[in-house]
Amino acid sequence: AQSVTQLGSHVSVSEGALVLLRCNYSSSVPPYLFWYVQYPNQGLQLLLKYTSAATLVKGINGFEAEFKKSETSFHLTKPSAHMSDAAEYFCAAVSGGYQKVTFGIGTKLQVIP
Amino acid sequence: DTGVSQNPRHKITKRGQNVTFRCDPISEHNRLYWYRQTLGQGPEFLTYFQNEAQLEKSRLLSDRFSAERPKGSFSTLEIQRTEQGDSAMYLCASSLGQAVNYGYTFGSGTRLTVV
Repeated sequence: AQSVTQLGSHVSVSEGALVLLRCNYSSSVPPYLFWYVQYPNQGLQLLLKYTSAATLVKGINGFEAEFKKSETSFHLTKPSAHMSDAAEYFCAAVSGGYQKVTFGIGTKLQVIP
Repeated sequence: DTGVSQNPRHKITKRGQNVTFRCDPISEHNRLYWYRQTLGQGPEFLTYFQNEAQLEKSRLLSDRFSAERPKGSFSTLEIQRTEQGDSAMYLCASSLGQAVNYGYTFGSGTRLTVV
């Protein structure tokens, strides 16, 4: 069964600093991977997705993620954090019958002024 | 059509009561999913519809839970004889096709509190 692991349930960065949110997946078959963002009291919004095309995926709001098969990782980065980036971020994977998305437990990003 | 709509946004109910939530997906999306999210956890899959057919149900969906999608349009999720452990955010998502190609579009969720 496909699963994703997010390292660090809480991450704090200073405004303007690099954002790095970690995600590792477990599977012998390259999965389809997503990053979602959730603002308080809202649903999840798709940031970006990897579907075996380019390994470096660019998403909305200046975020990007790199698929590294050798490390089974799909870490999310943004060069410069903005206050509006404060939210919870979920790494997710689809595999098998392609109907079900499995989410990690989430990482809450705090941006310090 | 501005997105996936869920009603109500919040529901407080007494233990033992029945509750029903509604989800209106994006009109052209044929796939609809229900997820449950508890504090400190990521969303957990509950069930999946393709058009009006319920194709997959999680073991999380006990006999007290039932979901329908009549005519392949809106969907309802009913919880009978609610328990305090049912308190969670219930999220609905829809997709035009396979999730691998399109991802999901999520609604804002219904937050259920069982007292």
